[in-house]
Amino acid sequence: GAVVSQHPSRVICKSGTSVKIECRSLDFQATTMFWYRQFPKQSLMLMATSNEGSKATYEQGVEKDKFLINHASLTLSTLTVTSAHPEDSSFYICSARTPPGQGRSGTGYTFGSGTRLTVV
Amino acid sequence: AQSVTQLGSHVSVSEGALVLLRCNYSSSVPPYLFWYVQYPNQGLQLLLKYTSAATLVKGINGFEAEFKKSETSFHLTKPSAHMSDAAEYFCAVSGDQAGTALIFGKGTTLSVSS
Repeated sequence: GAVVSQHPSRVICKSGTSVKIECRSLDFQATTMFWYRQFPKQSLMLMATSNEGSKATYEQGVEKDKFLINHASLTLSTLTVTSAHPEDSSFYICSARTPPGQGRSGTGYTFGSGTRLTVV
Repeated sequence: AQSVTQLGSHVSVSEGALVLLRCNYSSSVPPYLFWYVQYPNQGLQLLLKYTSAATLVKGINGFEAEFKKSETSFHLTKPSAHMSDAAEYFCAVSGDQAGTALIFGKGTTLSVSS
């Protein structure tokens, strides 16, 4: 069935550096990828929607210059947290709409396993 | 615009008791509705989904949910709770268009006592 591979699963970086998170759809083409952020004991908040070959659409309050999203191919979307600060520490999850008939998530959404970012 | 409201941020039940997690939705288009479970420090696992077919949806691990349009509800139930059901549960809504994102409720923490 549909699988989205997300890497890295955990990353610790120093304040002021940048971190790139990758999400790959392994057995289907993901025209659209959604990026979420989840703070401890909170829900998933949609950050942005990326479409292959075009600029991402950011939700209100999300800094597009800080959270750079690239969706250069139908199977790869990346989120780069630039000039990271401790308040950016969070759990980041990507998701792609699953085509009909693809496993349990057909006509649904497939999620990556998430990236735990800690900025020190 | 779409949204979901999960009533009760924390639900506690005894092992073997009925589990009922409440979710109400708001949607200007025919909704797709989902329930996900998240264990500590893990990603999301799909329990079940409603995509305009049968209104009573059966999912994994004995969970089921019923779509009630008149009540704009999609409550999650399980007849008999197990200790392993203790986790965070999220209700989510999307539209039927391919480019629409899932919008999540705030989540309900389920605790199961022996």
